[in-house]
Amino acid sequence: SQQGEEDPQALSIQEGENATMNCSYKTSINNLQWYRQNSGRGLVHLILIRSNEREKHSGRLRVTLDTSKKSSSLLITASRAADTASYFCATRPIYNQGGKLIFGQGTELSVKP
Amino acid sequence: GAGVSQSPSNKVTEKGKDVELRCDPISGHTALYWYRQSLGQGLEFLIYFQGNSAPDKSGLPSDRFSAERTGGSVSTLTIQRTQQEDSAVYLCASSFGIPMNTEAFFGQGTRLTVV
Repeated sequence: SQQGEEDPQALSIQEGENATMNCSYKTSINNLQWYRQNSGRGLVHLILIRSNEREKHSGRLRVTLDTSKKSSSLLITASRAADTASYFCATRPIYNQGGKLIFGQGTELSVKP
Repeated sequence: GAGVSQSPSNKVTEKGKDVELRCDPISGHTALYWYRQSLGQGLEFLIYFQGNSAPDKSGLPSDRFSAERTGGSVSTLTIQRTQQEDSAVYLCASSFGIPMNTEAFFGQGTRLTVV
């Protein structure tokens, strides 16, 4: 079964609003990463947060990590139509020292102009 | 190269035929991954290479699937006797070094359609 599960599965907002996506996972992790995918093809790395970090920022992105709840959230502030894409969280479980990256099912974000 | 390159970008094949999908990782990246994504779904892990060896091939769905990597660079994913359920986008990614705390760089994928 997938390690990560995103919530909600789909999100539709107006341009300028904030978008929040959540990710839950099952096993202890080394780090958690967020990726973006346009049009069902290649993924682009957005941000990586290590297991000993609680919050990280990158431009309009803010990621939090709560290892006690095994959950993470991705906040996109002041959204733009160009942010429309699918967003995936991915984890590197501690048990798998080989480095397998396990993805969730994704959140489909639609930002309306 | 500048990024991860996959070929072909699209492949239509008849059921029962064999297909080969190619991945050229970023130069110097020792870790290479193959994933599969069905329409509207998340990414399903297939196999992970560190150099030319595959320490984790647990995601290969059946013995019809195999992959190899040569020279620590190019990788080929082979699907024998393709079935319609093999239709998906096959994504390759690479990362630098032992990828415990590094990001993965993805190619644009190969969209495989089995008819």
